[in-house]
Amino acid sequence: DTGVSQDPRHKITKRGQNVTFRCDPISEHNRLYWYRQTLGQGPEFLTYFQNEAQLEKSRLLSDRFSAERPKGSFSTLEIQRTEQGDSAMYLCASSPAFSYNEQFFGPGTRLTVL
Amino acid sequence: AQSVTQLGSHVSVSEGALVLLRCNYSSSVPPYLFWYVQYPNQGLQLLLKYTSAATLVKGINGFEAEFKKSETSFHLTKPSAHMSDAAEYFCAVSEAGTYKYIFGTGTRLKVLA
Repeated sequence: DTGVSQDPRHKITKRGQNVTFRCDPISEHNRLYWYRQTLGQGPEFLTYFQNEAQLEKSRLLSDRFSAERPKGSFSTLEIQRTEQGDSAMYLCASSPAFSYNEQFFGPGTRLTVL
Repeated sequence: AQSVTQLGSHVSVSEGALVLLRCNYSSSVPPYLFWYVQYPNQGLQLLLKYTSAATLVKGINGFEAEFKKSETSFHLTKPSAHMSDAAEYFCAVSEAGTYKYIFGTGTRLKVLA
């Protein structure tokens, strides 16, 4: 069990470019979550998957954001036409099926949009 | 709607002193409650969780928290602060039947030598 991993750890991009982040959850966890954390704030929920099904999306997740988990294992979060306001830490977490919803977090991907 | 309030965005204590970080929640049903710690440029690490069993919950690194339904509180304490406790602490709530967390805005703990 190597924990939740995220790639890349840091991404610098120019406004208007597309970016994609990857999250690999703990192998036996069937739930996967994405959160966004801006400076000085707590993480905000974006979306979550149970296996490959995306079951809930926050209204924070605009049309420019899309998340997938095609085989119920790793997940990707894509941001199209990035804006400076997208600059944040993007956190991924996973949890097992039968738990008290204890979520295990990855190290995050820090996005800077210039 | 659920919400979490953490009073005090910054708390300073002397090394060896009591640590008290406050968390109040609003929830229409008994929630699950969590405390996480975040070190700079890292993800969140679970300190402890309340899941409707014992109201006094012990966690890692000497931390504990008490669930008080009448006060809708879940304050985090540690009897004696250590320099390595300096970090940001987040309280989170999750209602049974939902899976997303609602986080507070965090409390940055500073430990003075």
